[in-house]
Amino acid sequence: GESVGLHLPTLSVQEGDNSIINCAYSNSASDYFIWYKQESGKGPQFIIDIRSNMDKRQGQRVTVLLNKTVKHLSLQIAATQPGDSAVYFCAENNGGNKLVFGAGTILRVKS
Amino acid sequence: DAGVIQSPRHEVTEMGQEVTLRCKPISGHNSLFWYRQTMMRGLELLIYFNNNVPIDDSGMPEDRFSAKMPNASFSTLKIQPSEPRDSAVYFCASRSDRPKQYFGPGTRLTVT
Repeated sequence: GESVGLHLPTLSVQEGDNSIINCAYSNSASDYFIWYKQESGKGPQFIIDIRSNMDKRQGQRVTVLLNKTVKHLSLQIAATQPGDSAVYFCAENNGGNKLVFGAGTILRVKS
Repeated sequence: DAGVIQSPRHEVTEMGQEVTLRCKPISGHNSLFWYRQTMMRGLELLIYFNNNVPIDDSGMPEDRFSAKMPNASFSTLKIQPSEPRDSAVYFCASRSDRPKQYFGPGTRLTVT
């Protein structure tokens, strides 16, 4: 029978191009946001985080942008490499102990 | 840093058997989280502990699931009896006072 499951959005980019992965969050009270990368067979790995008092933060080849007005978060990856192929999750925190995760986006890098 | 350690990495068992998953959090972290990941439901929080005390177990699917944290360096997630629908990847994560969680490599459970 046909399998049913989450249909994750997929972003396909050419090696060397820049990637932009988007995330809409739900809670306007959230004050901390984080991006994770999950490669096949591994656990989610931290990429970058940002607090709500900032609208941009840069890391090595990655930038996170936060737009609180429209509750939108994005992850930009510069010069995308084959090793960047993975599922990317955003998560939000509103000061409690829990992170609320998005469904994830699949990034495929074409060589 | 060793990171979060989980064992076993893979477990295959028959329906009805008891399964115990183990987790060692990062030393010094005071919160521990158990998640389940499936294609159908994505990443779900099952339970979390703060200072070894269970705080929120609302994500535990049913009474067949139980979790313990006898000390700051060890936690178990037990399924008894296991069912095929429990097949998933189970992750443990830990954190300190900051909200960033560090995930272990996961245990892939297959119940036949």
